[in-house]
Amino acid sequence: ETGVTQSPTHLIKTRGQQVTLRCSSQSGHNTVSWYQQALGQGPQFIFQYYREEENGRGNFPPRFSGLQFPNYSSELNVNALELDDSALYLCATSDSRSYNEQFFGPGTRLTVL
Amino acid sequence: GNSVTQMEGPVTLSEEAFLTINCTYTATGYPSLFWYVQYPGEGLQLLLKATKADDKGSNKGFEATYRKETTSFHLEKGSVQVSDSAVYFCALTFNYGQNFVFGPGTRLSVLP
Repeated sequence: ETGVTQSPTHLIKTRGQQVTLRCSSQSGHNTVSWYQQALGQGPQFIFQYYREEENGRGNFPPRFSGLQFPNYSSELNVNALELDDSALYLCATSDSRSYNEQFFGPGTRLTVL
Repeated sequence: GNSVTQMEGPVTLSEEAFLTINCTYTATGYPSLFWYVQYPGEGLQLLLKATKADDKGSNKGFEATYRKETTSFHLEKGSVQVSDSAVYFCALTFNYGQNFVFGPGTRLSVLP
């Protein structure tokens, strides 16, 4: 059974650019959640995808968008990057049958200059 | 809105010392409560959880009891090890992983 993987590990962008982060689900997991973790803070919920549909969203602007694919992998897209978008982006996957068991990937460290 | 408050760190202990990390929450209703641990350079790992009042979650020597009266879920361990050095996050949710609300984290350093 493979764990949750994320790519890339690190990324440096400039303000105004766009970025795409990727997450591969743990085997059998059909639900993916994305979180933003600023330095020294706890993760903040961005949104969740279930069966390729957005299934809940936190307090993030529309320039944060996502996709889930038929194999349950997922992308997080951020447009018009701002300096405050610099953070560790975590994805977490779960099986809808396993109540609240979320498994986190190692994260992508995004730096916006 | 829902929120989680944790004791500020860093917490520095000697090996074999007793650990308590306080966590209190504010929520409408009765959420499920969790402790996650984050080791350097890694993602979050579920440490333990409790889904209803008076439940005790336990794992790897760590324990936490869901106290509805005090809206608390304090993490304890009787004898910490150097390998327990990490950041610990208290969290809550009401449903299938939506809206996990995390506390700010408490960094624990255990010295040999």
